[in-house]
Amino acid sequence: KNEVEQSPQNLTAQEGEFITINCSYSVGISALHWLQQHPGGGIVSLFMLSSGKKKHGRLIATINIQEKHSSLHITASHPRDSAVYICAASPNTGNQFYFGTGTSLTVIP
Amino acid sequence: NAGVMQNPRHLVRRRGQEARLRCSPMKGHSHVYWYRQLPEEGLKFMVYLQKENIIDESGMPKERFSAEFPKEGPSILRIQQVVRGDSAAYFCASSPAQFYGYTFGSGTRLTVV
Repeated sequence: KNEVEQSPQNLTAQEGEFITINCSYSVGISALHWLQQHPGGGIVSLFMLSSGKKKHGRLIATINIQEKHSSLHITASHPRDSAVYICAASPNTGNQFYFGTGTSLTVIP
Repeated sequence: NAGVMQNPRHLVRRRGQEARLRCSPMKGHSHVYWYRQLPEEGLKFMVYLQKENIIDESGMPKERFSAEFPKEGPSILRIQQVVRGDSAAYFCASSPAQFYGYTFGSGTRLTVV
């Protein structure tokens, strides 16, 4: 079983729809990260969360420490949001991140 | 501030050759992490380095793989005698402190033919 689980694995949405990607983790963490990877491209760090909620433009990330769950929301989705979104946990101990397998999002015009 | 620079972006090697992947961290970042993304799989930790020191290499294959982060110059991930199974995207990230201010590079896509 992976330390970080994401759902859904694949997601197709119409432009303008509200999108939610979920992440559950089983390890104690110091922070949780949301990353974005475009096809054939690099990785961009979107958020680092240790509690509560953060917002950047149309992107919102929330975390519930007690439930060990985080969500990434995209409001008014746009085709340029099409990418793989990866959840990554920084554990309390050790030096490595644990990564989810990613959610592949396609937003159709 | 150019961000984390990785080169080359694409690297093709024949089986048995050596591959050298370079990562220049962001200015002021002394922590470097290497990750591997195999086709259709998620990112996996390989190694964590600070200047001149390997802090954690628990994700590195025991043979053929090595990493360094010298006092001057980029961090290097070296793969000797590459095999087809080494074909993957290799990402480097840097930070000014452990797990803080984490920035990824664009990756090097290694293809072994």
